[in-house]
Amino acid sequence: KAGVTQTPRYLIKTRGQQVTLSCSPISGHRSVSWYQQTPGQGLQFLFEYFSETQRNKGNFPGRFSGRQFSNSRSEMNVSTLELGDSALYLCASSPRGVSSYNEQFFGPGTRLTVL
Amino acid sequence: GENVEQHPSTLSVQEGDSAVIKCTYSDSASNYFPWYKQELGKGPQLIIDIRSNVGEKKDQRIAVTLNKTAKHFSLHITETQPEDSAVYFCAASIANSNSGYALNFGKGTSLLVTP
Repeated sequence: KAGVTQTPRYLIKTRGQQVTLSCSPISGHRSVSWYQQTPGQGLQFLFEYFSETQRNKGNFPGRFSGRQFSNSRSEMNVSTLELGDSALYLCASSPRGVSSYNEQFFGPGTRLTVL
Repeated sequence: GENVEQHPSTLSVQEGDSAVIKCTYSDSASNYFPWYKQELGKGPQLIIDIRSNVGEKKDQRIAVTLNKTAKHFSLHITETQPEDSAVYFCAASIANSNSGYALNFGKGTSLLVTP
């Protein structure tokens, strides 16, 4: 089974611009979560989508948004980029079935640099 | 919210020795505790997890223990090999199939195994 794929792998943007990142989950997985990883703050939860609905949201400003499509693929958008948004953005997919314990499998991430 | 503390931040062992990484969590409602290994340039890889109804779980050279009363859990790697060198993250979450769940991560432990 193919793993989680994220595109693009690297991005360079300037302050004030917006960016869209894409994630394709493992086939059959219906839940997609997004995390931000920085050296200072570590791994922080952004939001989770399941069946095209946002189920959970972390403590990030409204500039960070996401969506999920009917094929479970997800995108996240960051508007009005700030220098502090430079980070590795990770997508994780989960089967999210009957059991409430569902492992999350991460993609390789998108490295965003804001200049 | 949930706060996960992880120690040590760096750990250096000789090949063949054991390595132990410890984490504590604050929310007694947390019921799912995964461990991830992250190599340079890659996303976190799930290596083992434990659920709150289990005290210990083992998978070959890797084991995890959970003490719900003390709210701490540990990762044990025996017979370490150079390829075990990576950053290890613990996480805790309140898995809920209705409202979704988020992984709250520790800050990570950089493990170096020297030949």
